[in-house]
Amino acid sequence: GAGVSQSPSNKVTEKGKDVELRCDPISGHTALYWYRQRLGQGLEFLIYFQGNSAPDKSGLPSDRFSAERTGESVSTLTIQRTQQEDSAVYLCASKEALPANEQFFGPGTRLTVL
Amino acid sequence: DAKTTQPTSMDCAEGRAANLPCNHSTISGNEYVYWYRQIHSQGPQYIIHGLKNNETNEMASLIITEDRKSSTLILPHATLRDTAVYYCIVRAHFGNEKLTFGTGTRLTIIP
Repeated sequence: GAGVSQSPSNKVTEKGKDVELRCDPISGHTALYWYRQRLGQGLEFLIYFQGNSAPDKSGLPSDRFSAERTGESVSTLTIQRTQQEDSAVYLCASKEALPANEQFFGPGTRLTVL
Repeated sequence: DAKTTQPTSMDCAEGRAANLPCNHSTISGNEYVYWYRQIHSQGPQYIIHGLKNNETNEMASLIITEDRKSSTLILPHATLRDTAVYYCIVRAHFGNEKLTFGTGTRLTIIP
């Protein structure tokens, strides 16, 4: 079946602009995660959704970052007033309800802030 | 989640077994060991996980020491497509959902 998809695959924006990144999880997966990966580094957790609620937002680096999820499916990560340090690959993952433990990752969105 | 330590990089000849070590000396009783890998320009891919018994699936084997302070991921017959960064992650099965990735081991399979 279809895996996790993300769009756009690449986004180049100017400093100060807002961007929206989209994640389409695997159908039926109740859990959804956003991670960020800077060049040459491991993944940083940003936020976790269970259904449409977000019990763990601890990884969002500032109030410029927000995310929402509707209909227990699509999620959007929004970055306002982008800064150059926001440049990274933003990865989305989804997972079935417990006791499943495997997170399935999308291909990521490469964000470049000029 | 407990911290993990992995070598920065390793090489392995094609067709040989690749053995990737991971130290997790502060692991607690309810924490599992997970392995993911990330092939260049792709999202991470789940490989295997275990608690205290050795585990095997179609991709790899996971050997966990009796004291659970370290583990080894074994790719039995490495191919060029196994070249990737391999991440060892320790986390509780329930509760904290996020995966905490370190910098992993960059495994290069040599033809």
